[in-house]
Amino acid sequence: DAGITQSPRYKITETGRQVTLMCHQTWSHSYMFWYRQDLGHGLRLIYYSAAADITDKGEVPDGYVVSRSKTENFPLTLESATRSQTSVYFCASRRTSGPTSTDTQYFGPGTRLTVL
Amino acid sequence: SQQGEEDPQALSIQEGENATMNCSYKTSINNLQWYRQNSGRGLVHLILIRSNEREKHSGRLRVTLDTSKKSSSLLITASRAADTASYFCATQGTTQGGSEKLVFGKGTKLTVNP
Repeated sequence: DAGITQSPRYKITETGRQVTLMCHQTWSHSYMFWYRQDLGHGLRLIYYSAAADITDKGEVPDGYVVSRSKTENFPLTLESATRSQTSVYFCASRRTSGPTSTDTQYFGPGTRLTVL
Repeated sequence: SQQGEEDPQALSIQEGENATMNCSYKTSINNLQWYRQNSGRGLVHLILIRSNEREKHSGRLRVTLDTSKKSSSLLITASRAADTASYFCATQGTTQGGSEKLVFGKGTKLTVNP
């Protein structure tokens, strides 16, 4: 199906383990984003990517790694998971950007990650 | 930070009433957007208003923008139980780097009682 998907939808892991969350979009949008959502903080940007092989840090990048070898995929890796990374993670995509762009973001369904 | 701040944090109304949510932000923006999030789901875009616009309508939604006060409001008229959700404002900046991403507020949780 067309759109933006995330996998897994739910994940439980232990402290210190490496975890990778997947994001896939079928629109060939240039921009992709990773957010985390926590009570009291709203959505905070972790990393974003303007195109394949171009990534940049957001507001809360520490402890996360991203890559984007293909336009349609934007995986997020927690190299050594900590309890503070327990959260709901959302991936989003956007066609273009820049000061004159009014493109909106399209969100995936989210991944609920619990780190024990 | 240009983060938007929604007010109130929570709002409970009866079906058929109007719901008004406010958003304030700190720096110059290119546009301001409102998103809705149903429980357990991703965010869905509702409406976008550009910095040179003052008011915009979409169905039962009315958005206003006052750039002099750095504030916006979202009005949902004749609310329905299905409007129960969290509503977020998000701002797109004007500066290089700032225009590439949206900055979201913490949201208003709206409950519409049947």
